[in-house]
Formats: sequence, structure tokens, C-alpha cells
Amino acid sequence: AQTVTQSQPEMSVQEAETVTLSCTYDTSESDYYLFWYKQPPSRQMILVIRQEAYKQQNATENRFSVNFQKAAKSFSLKISDSQLGDAAMYFCAYRGNAGNNRKLIWGLGTSLAVNP
Amino acid sequence: KAGVTQTPRYLIKTRGQQVTLSCSPISGHRSVSWYQQTPGQGLQFLFEYFSETQRNKGNFPGRFSGRQFSNSRSEMNVSTLELGDSALYLCASSSGPGTWEQYFGPGTRLTVT
Repeated sequence: AQTVTQSQPEMSVQEAETVTLSCTYDTSESDYYLFWYKQPPSRQMILVIRQEAYKQQNATENRFSVNFQKAAKSFSLKISDSQLGDAAMYFCAYRGNAGNNRKLIWGLGTSLAVNP
Repeated sequence: KAGVTQTPRYLIKTRGQQVTLSCSPISGHRSVSWYQQTPGQGLQFLFEYFSETQRNKGNFPGRFSGRQFSNSRSEMNVSTLELGDSALYLCASSSGPGTWEQYFGPGTRLTVT
């Protein structure tokens, strides 16, 4: 079975600084997606960034980028120039691409605080 | 385009009762997935519906059930509520089961007393 592990329950960063959130996963599949979702206090789940496993190039979305290490099964999120609005729970998620594995499997999340 | 809507947003029920939650997907989306979020277990997949058929199911007891209507709206039902069913229930819609992109609703906060 696939699992997702986020080893940092809480993190903090100074405004305008850079922070990296860690995520590791376990799977025997070769075709899958990885995601980072953000859940602010409003509880609305928002997609931050996604990575297709077959792509070697790391995904980037404005201030958000990932370091995808497929062999190591590692998928970290880097937030540059942190803003107060980045404060939220961040969840790493895995989705297989075949049959019954097409469902999101989630890590337990990392609570990110941004200090002014 | 309107987002995913979930009703009600908040619900308080008593142990032993049953509850029905509703989710309306984004217009044109035909796939709806449900997730349970609790502080202890985190986010867990409940089930997915596409074209009125359950396509995938998580590891939840039979007290948890769902259905999807011809207009793609989905309901989930929990019978014989237990205290541990207190959670945020999230619904997500996508255009189909093979697509990776899911759009989440604001959730229904269920409290069982």
C-alpha cells in the first residue's frame, strides 16, 4: 500500500525568507502524481503544485517549487519570499494512475507559521 | 464558473442518529470524491463516484455510504453515528476518474455528541 510521510508537524519562517517542507512516500508504482495542497484556516483545500512522476524536471509555480527525487521517493516543497498569506497547513499527497489507486493518499500535514 | 458547494456547512448530531451530506460539483464535472479529515487520522479517502456509479472505495465501515445523481450531485450518508465520526468531510470534483485535478469544496463540519 502507498504511504505518505511528512516528518515536520510544525515549521515557521520569517516573512520574505525561504522555507522547505519535507515529504517522503512509498509506492511500488511507476506512474503516479504527487501534490502539495494548502489548507488555510478557512479549511478550503487549495492545490499549490503538482508533479508527474514521469517528468524529471521539477515543477515550479511562481514562488513555489519542488525537489522531486524519484529514486529516494522524496518530494519537498520550497516556498520562496514567504508571505503572511502562506501561513496554513500544507499537505503532501500521492495519487496512483491505475484502477483503484486513483485516489489521493495524504500525509498528516505540516503547519506553517509565517512571522512578520 | 461556480465552485464545488457542500451543504450543510456545519452539523451537530447525536450518537446513533444518521446524517446526509450533499455535494454539488463544478458544472460539467462528472466525478465526485469524498474525504474524511480528523485530527488523529488526517485525510482519508471515502469513495469516488462517476456517472452515478461508485468507482472506488476506501476502508470505511458499511455505515458510510454514498450515491450520485444524474446531475452529478452526490450525497454521502452515515448511519448509526459514533463519536469518532466527528470530522470535516470534504468533497472534490473532477471532470472524470482519470483526471488528476480535483477541486475541493469548503467541507461540512460534523460534530457527533
